[in-house]
Amino acid sequence: NAGVTQTPKFRVLKTGQSMTLLCAQDMNHEYMYWYRQDPGMGLRLIHYSVGEGTTAKGEVPDGYNVSRLKKQNFLLGLESAAPSQTSVYFCASSLTGGVNQPQHFGDGTRLSIL
Amino acid sequence: GENVEQHPSTLSVQEGDSAVIKCTYSDSASNYFPWYKQELGKRPQLIIDIRSNVGEKKDQRIAVTLNKTAKHFSLHITETQPEDSAVYFCAGGRNSGNTPLVFGKGTRLSVIA
Repeated sequence: NAGVTQTPKFRVLKTGQSMTLLCAQDMNHEYMYWYRQDPGMGLRLIHYSVGEGTTAKGEVPDGYNVSRLKKQNFLLGLESAAPSQTSVYFCASSLTGGVNQPQHFGDGTRLSIL
Repeated sequence: GENVEQHPSTLSVQEGDSAVIKCTYSDSASNYFPWYKQELGKRPQLIIDIRSNVGEKKDQRIAVTLNKTAKHFSLHITETQPEDSAVYFCAGGRNSGNTPLVFGKGTRLSVIA
């Protein structure tokens, strides 16, 4: 039981490049989330999903897209990377019932945009 | 929507002393308040949570209190140890609907030996 797995762990991009971050969970969780963490800003929600085939915008969705084609996977895409998207990205999942269930986090992806 | 504010942003205590971190929230319908600990370079991990039907919850050296009237909740760590040094996040949210948790901006706790 690996929990929540994020790939890759590190990545450096040039401005304008695109990439996809993958999040996989093996706990049969319904809810999945993508956050970004910047110094002094805490965890800010980018997008989330309440089940397979669903997505919703969080606090800071601009510049990102997501897909949840399979229940166990939640993909975060950057179509045209910008230096402002340099951050540490965390994926999380929770069982059901949304906020009343603990969120389990992955180890994070450190992304640098040059 | 919900807004969660956390204070202080940094906190230094001597080993063995107590540490208190406070959070306020804006949505009176919020009823779930977890606390996460994030060690340097690691993932956030849930350490304790409280629901609105209780006013206090303890787990060894950690306790959380909730005041629904004032809309604030606090994390108390007693007999602090160097391994308590980390960033702590509070969060709040509702049980109904699909509205996600809202996190505070975090408190960096340093325990000085």
